[in-house]
Amino acid sequence: NAGVMQNPRHLVRRRGQEARLRCSPMKGHSHVYWYRQLPEEGLKFMVYLQKENIIDESGMPKERFSAEFPKEGPSILRIQQVVRGDSAAYFCASSNGDSPLHFGNGTRLTVT
Amino acid sequence: AQSVTQLDSQVPVFEEAPVELRCNYSSSVSVYLFWYVQYPNQGLQLLLKYLSGSTLVKGINGFEAEFNKSQTSFHLRKPSVHISDTAEYFCAVTSGGSQGNLIFGKGTKLSVKP
Repeated sequence: NAGVMQNPRHLVRRRGQEARLRCSPMKGHSHVYWYRQLPEEGLKFMVYLQKENIIDESGMPKERFSAEFPKEGPSILRIQQVVRGDSAAYFCASSNGDSPLHFGNGTRLTVT
Repeated sequence: AQSVTQLDSQVPVFEEAPVELRCNYSSSVSVYLFWYVQYPNQGLQLLLKYLSGSTLVKGINGFEAEFNKSQTSFHLRKPSVHISDTAEYFCAVTSGGSQGNLIFGKGTKLSVKP
């Protein structure tokens, strides 16, 4: 009965590289949310996806960030040309549409 | 626009003492309210939620919260804390009809000392 699985747990990238964060939702969940947590801050909503569709991306930076949730496989949050300010913990959460969110353990991105 | 204010960034207490973590929200529509707990290097775990009905909500680990519409508050309480309750606690709100797109407060770090 696996929960929300995120990998990798820790990711180090040099400035200018690409970061790919993966999230497998709980079994039976088709709604995926991505949040970013900066130090000393709460979680900030980034994007809400259902299978093959972006429902709400109002929290996504306009450039370099993208997200997908394909028909098969995990949801991917992609950050191109990372900068130091992208260093944060990125959390994925899933639900079945009626339930509260279940969160993964996060991916901690460090940009050097 | 909705927002959440957690008035205390850090709350130190002694073991077996009572604790209250404060949360106020602003919203022009009906809301759902949540408290989540985050242990170090882990994701968030749902403690309790208010959707409708009784304003006193009981959650896991002996926590409870009371929804006060007139004061737009949803304070979290526990009558007797344990060392294991040391963690960061987040209050969150979303508009009625969805439990997904949450607006979080900045968190309160609860530190329980022996």
